Amino acid sequence: NAGVTQTPKFRVLKTGQSMTLLCAQDMNHEYMYWYRQDPGMGLRLIHYSVGEGTTAKGEVPDGYNVSRLKKQNFLLGLESAAPSQTSVYFCASSYYRDRSYYNSPLHFGNGTRLTVT
Amino acid sequence: SQQGEEDPQALSIQEGENATMNCSYKTSINNLQWYRQNSGRGLVHLILIRSNEREKHSGRLRVTLDTSKKSSSLLITASRAADTASYFCATDVNTGTASKLTFGTGTRLQVTL
Repeated sequence: NAGVTQTPKFRVLKTGQSMTLLCAQDMNHEYMYWYRQDPGMGLRLIHYSVGEGTTAKGEVPDGYNVSRLKKQNFLLGLESAAPSQTSVYFCASSYYRDRSYYNSPLHFGNGTRLTVT
Repeated sequence: SQQGEEDPQALSIQEGENATMNCSYKTSINNLQWYRQNSGRGLVHLILIRSNEREKHSGRLRVTLDTSKKSSSLLITASRAADTASYFCATDVNTGTASKLTFGTGTRLQVTL
């Protein structure tokens, strides 16, 4: 049982280049999320998905796009990378909210460290 | 600004001592969760406390929640070197059509032998 797997682990991009970060989960979770973590800022939500074929914007969505074509995969794309997107990116997943509409605990991957020069 | 703010930002203690971290938040919550992050790794869920609960225990962890003060504390008893990590609180806020988890900036805990 691998949990949440992120690829790649590290990447260096030049300004203007594009790339896709891959996230896969094998827990049959409905919800999936992309966060970025920067020093002193905590984790900030970029985009999330509440089910296959659906996505929604989080707190800091600009410059990113996402797709959830299959329930187990959630892709994060950078169309034209900028130095401000240098960060550590985390994917997470969780079950449905319970009947009280509370968020269940998140399961995180180990992150992708992205540097944009 | 962050919904959850941890205090202190950094804490250094010796093995065997207790560690207390605090989290303050601004708006009403559904629940509050605590996570641990070891260096270079993803976050790991520790404990969830609902808004109608005041205290919860899990092994050496004790979490309290005071909704009147909009604050929570995480106590790690008899700390070990392996407890060295960053600890984050995350608040679950109902926005009407969905609920979202918002993370604080974390407390870095160093446990020395």
